[in-house]
Amino acid sequence: GQQLNQSPQSMFIQEGEDVSMNCTSSSIFNTWLWYKQEPGEGPVLLIALYKAGELTSNGRLTAQFGITRKDSFLNISASIPSDVGIYFCAGQLSGWGKLQFGAGTQVVVTP
Amino acid sequence: GAVVSQHPSRVICKSGTSVKIECRSLDFQATTMFWYRQFPKQSLMLMATSNEGSKATYEQGVEKDKFLINHASLTLSTLTVTSAHPEDSSFYICSASSGTGSNQPQHFGDGTRLSIL
Repeated sequence: GQQLNQSPQSMFIQEGEDVSMNCTSSSIFNTWLWYKQEPGEGPVLLIALYKAGELTSNGRLTAQFGITRKDSFLNISASIPSDVGIYFCAGQLSGWGKLQFGAGTQVVVTP
Repeated sequence: GAVVSQHPSRVICKSGTSVKIECRSLDFQATTMFWYRQFPKQSLMLMATSNEGSKATYEQGVEKDKFLINHASLTLSTLTVTSAHPEDSSFYICSASSGTGSNQPQHFGDGTRLSIL
């Protein structure tokens, strides 16, 4: 199916650095979601955004729903080794409809 | 809250075998469940949307006779891969949404690694 444009594809960072990734789409969404997936497991919901312009934090994670409703970003501050994984953005038109996923951003944190 | 359990976590079987994967919502009622397939180093690809009490809606290119979906209750959906072949080997993941209103994010199971020999 159609994918969102998620970048960067991968990031290799040192512990303590901040991480930023974003997703853009040619079509609007009413919900943006950010998930983290570790090897051999299913994605885990990190942050859900429901309103254009909304800025939401979850611990060291911060995500924003773009004003145009066509983009979203996720920031991770002061990265730690357990932040390693693949982060996916997902857009959703209705509150219970199917998701469109980005290609994922692989984050590798070195001590 | 919002726990989705998937079983089994791993299946290894011979070509031609049919394999059933279960997806359960443990602490909420899921009117809608979704089945995804994920190949190594790729994103999740939606296969079908499963609605309790009605037929599943399949995405384009997904064979409904190959991937049978049953959503008989508000807490259980099953995916049966019929007459599985090596090309069906993949990571299958389900998600569930209560779907009773807006702002009901999908929560995912831990996935099933299917290996067909």
